[in-house]
Amino acid sequence: DAGVTQSPTHLIKTRGQQVTLRCSPKSGHDTVSWYQQALGQGPQFIFQYYEEEERQRGNFPDRFSGHQFPNYSSELNVNALLLGDSALYLCASSLVAAGELFFGEGSRLTVL
Amino acid sequence: QQQVKQSPQSLIVQKGGIPIINCAYENTAFDYFPWYQQFPGKGPALLIAIRPDVSEKKEGRFTISFNKSAKQFSLHIMDSQPGDSATYFCAANWGGSARQLTFGSGTQLTVLP
Repeated sequence: DAGVTQSPTHLIKTRGQQVTLRCSPKSGHDTVSWYQQALGQGPQFIFQYYEEEERQRGNFPDRFSGHQFPNYSSELNVNALLLGDSALYLCASSLVAAGELFFGEGSRLTVL
Repeated sequence: QQQVKQSPQSLIVQKGGIPIINCAYENTAFDYFPWYQQFPGKGPALLIAIRPDVSEKKEGRFTISFNKSAKQFSLHIMDSQPGDSATYFCAANWGGSARQLTFGSGTQLTVLP
């Protein structure tokens, strides 16, 4: 039973570029949440997707957007990258919105 | 209002010791308090969680103590082992029925052999 898988594992971008990160939830899970973890900090909630809609959103600008597909996989898009967007981006899935969260290993984004 | 303050930032104990990590919160709307363990290069993994109607919960060597009036909760690791060396995060849930976790800043635990 595959857990939460994320791609790519590492990527480097320059300021102003756009990035797309991908997540496949744990088998049987229908809800995907995204978190940003800066170096040495705890994860910060970005948003949650359920039934292909954004259900909850944290304190992140509109440059951060997402999508959930019919197969429950999800994408995180970040536009107009800033140096401060450098972080580990974690995807977490759950069965229904309030279920236990299972995290992937993350995508480490470096913005130069 | 949504902050969770975690201490200490780092902790070193001998094998068999009982490290204690503390967290405090302000938002009384929080209704779910999990602890996560994170190894380098890995995502956080749920260790144990508690709800505010319970003062203590044990799972194996891990215990959460919860003080609702003080708005504090702590993690105790009994008989700690070198394999427990990791970063530990407390968290609290807000957002009603959704799992919208607010994490503490983490505690880097080192258990010496």
